[in-house]
Amino acid sequence: DIQMTQSPSSLSASVGDRVTVTCRASQSISSFLNWYQQKPGKAPKLLIYAASSLQSGVPSRFSGSGSGTDFTLTINSLHPEDFATYYCQQSYSTPVTFGQGTKLEIK
Amino acid sequence: EVQLVESGGGLVKPGGSLRLSCAASGFTFSNAWMTWVRQAPGKGLEWVGRIKSKTDSETTDYAAPVKGRLTISRDDSKNTLYLQMNSLKTEDTAMYYCTTVSGKNWGQGTLVTVSS
Repeated sequence: DIQMTQSPSSLSASVGDRVTVTCRASQSISSFLNWYQQKPGKAPKLLIYAASSLQSGVPSRFSGSGSGTDFTLTINSLHPEDFATYYCQQSYSTPVTFGQGTKLEIK
Repeated sequence: EVQLVESGGGLVKPGGSLRLSCAASGFTFSNAWMTWVRQAPGKGLEWVGRIKSKTDSETTDYAAPVKGRLTISRDDSKNTLYLQMNSLKTEDTAMYYCTTVSGKNWGQGTLVTVSS
């Protein structure tokens, strides 16, 4: 199974900050990497697919990069509604696996 | 508009069974590969399994912790995805979501609690 390791597991930031979350795969997954945002009591929402493609309707302050084993999710100029938990997911092979999540909290 | 609506969750005793349903609308369900994802209370996301379309032989794949106990099926005439859950364990307690394989569409989830 491909293991996905996210860092950090939690992060405190302020409105207007730029933050980066990283995700590392235990083997190469090409660009088969998605990023999700989840708020309490809600289903996850797809932000980025294929490592760097912005899902329709997602604000352009979200961006993704990387390929192979190392990936990043960047949020430029945090908005209040961005405080949530973020997950990476590899869809290169089954079983599909998720990172453990990064909780973004208000400083 | 794509909609996925799960139902069938509830409280069940260890060793018991439950069948979850996911009613799909707004897209050509018969062509879609579908997945189930679960989330234990306060924990992260866990992929449960996937079913391919009929044209791809409705092939299924499962995560190791559920293989042999949980079974994914579909009824394209009803635009409905199923998750048959047998021999349930306390560690199966979670919110269960159905999703399209792309991850673009998720249901609201249905809660399964396994407890004596």
